[in-house]
Amino acid sequence: DGGITQSPKYLFRKEGQNVTLSCEQNLNHDAMYWYRQDPGQGLRLIYYSQIVNDFQKGDIAEGYSVSREKKESFPLTVTSAQKNPTAFYLCASSYVRGSEAFFGQGTRLTVV
Amino acid sequence: AQKITQTQPGMFVQEKEAVTLDCTYDTSDQSYGLFWYKQPSSGEMIFLIYQGSYDEQNATEGRYSLNFQKARKSANLVISASQLGDSAMYFCAMSPNYGGSQGNLIFGKGTKLSVKP
Repeated sequence: DGGITQSPKYLFRKEGQNVTLSCEQNLNHDAMYWYRQDPGQGLRLIYYSQIVNDFQKGDIAEGYSVSREKKESFPLTVTSAQKNPTAFYLCASSYVRGSEAFFGQGTRLTVV
Repeated sequence: AQKITQTQPGMFVQEKEAVTLDCTYDTSDQSYGLFWYKQPSSGEMIFLIYQGSYDEQNATEGRYSLNFQKARKSANLVISASQLGDSAMYFCAMSPNYGGSQGNLIFGKGTKLSVKP
């Protein structure tokens, strides 16, 4: 079945450590996105990519990094520079033109 | 700056009745798209309905319809014949492109809908 897979579902990180969240899609979508959701809030865009080896910052990119080496994969690294990383992270993908975005199941990151 | 406002933090509706979830938006662009997503307690975002800024007809998808009033900058979601499975968070979102990439979205804070049996 086609879809977006995020792993792991739950992730715990010690302060000062970098951690990488995985996002893979087999929908043949060109564009991929990372969002952050805090309790009681909507989603905010971290990074997005419309083509392999290219990506753009969203509204809250500070403290995060991404790569897009393959069309199917768009991993997000939460660095130690991110001051408040505890949140729910959602990955999405879409065709570049004219289709809705499909979301993964999310990764809940907790800093301990 | 573009913004989505959802003024209802929580709503209750009786099973089988209709409910309207409010959404207003702010943009100076002429070209944009409006979306509604459902987020159950499991966390994934489920696409419900889309309205383009140039679409003259209100969008409908099964029990979901979007009441698009462009002059008032509102895009309310109407759910007819509510079901218990409709209990979830509902988010209104806007894309800065009409017909372009639909994943670069600006979200409202959401409305929690509870359907009572």
